[in-house]
Amino acid sequence: DAGVIQSPRHEVTEMGQEVTLRCKPISGHNSLFWYRQTMMRGLELLIYFNNNVPIDDSGMPEDRFSAKMPNASFSTLKIQPSEPRDSAVYFCASGLQGAEQFFGPGTRLTVL
Amino acid sequence: GESVGLHLPTLSVQEGDNSIINCAYSNSASDYFIWYKQESGKGPQFIIDIRSNMDKRQGQRVTVLLNKTVKHLSLQIAATQPGDSAVYFCADLYGNNRLAFGKGNQVVVIP
Repeated sequence: DAGVIQSPRHEVTEMGQEVTLRCKPISGHNSLFWYRQTMMRGLELLIYFNNNVPIDDSGMPEDRFSAKMPNASFSTLKIQPSEPRDSAVYFCASGLQGAEQFFGPGTRLTVL
Repeated sequence: GESVGLHLPTLSVQEGDNSIINCAYSNSASDYFIWYKQESGKGPQFIIDIRSNMDKRQGQRVTVLLNKTVKHLSLQIAATQPGDSAVYFCADLYGNNRLAFGKGNQVVVIP
């Protein structure tokens, strides 16, 4: 099993640009989570999906952030427009409901 | 890596010694707990879990202890190796499917 796959691994962009992060969860998992990790705030849950349906997006910072899960094997997290304070490592994780979550390698985002 | 390193409690341990990492949780209704290990530049990696109907669970070189009375969780690593150097997070499950992560503890293994 390849585990959770995220792309790109690194993204450097300029303020105001649109950023799209991608995630392929582990096959068979019915839950998908997007996290953001920074030195100041640690690991924060942004949004999670159950069976492709967004369940809780209360962690999404503001309207500039949006996430989709069009099917069981793909999800995107989009930031538009991006700002320097969005710089962080973004993790996608997947799992079975009520069980441990398996994390991807993360996308390191730098907004200049 | 990007894990929060500068402001974390740090445990320095000699290679071969045992390590103990502690964690307190706040939700008395939590019934499932997980320890994760995060190495520099990588995502958190599942180590071991425990449910609230147990107070101890052992894995390979790791033991998790749960004290529900004082809402305390600990991770013991036996015979610590250089590869154990990482940030360790405890997490508890709430709302059926969400994990609340602690701030993390940095473990530095001295060869």
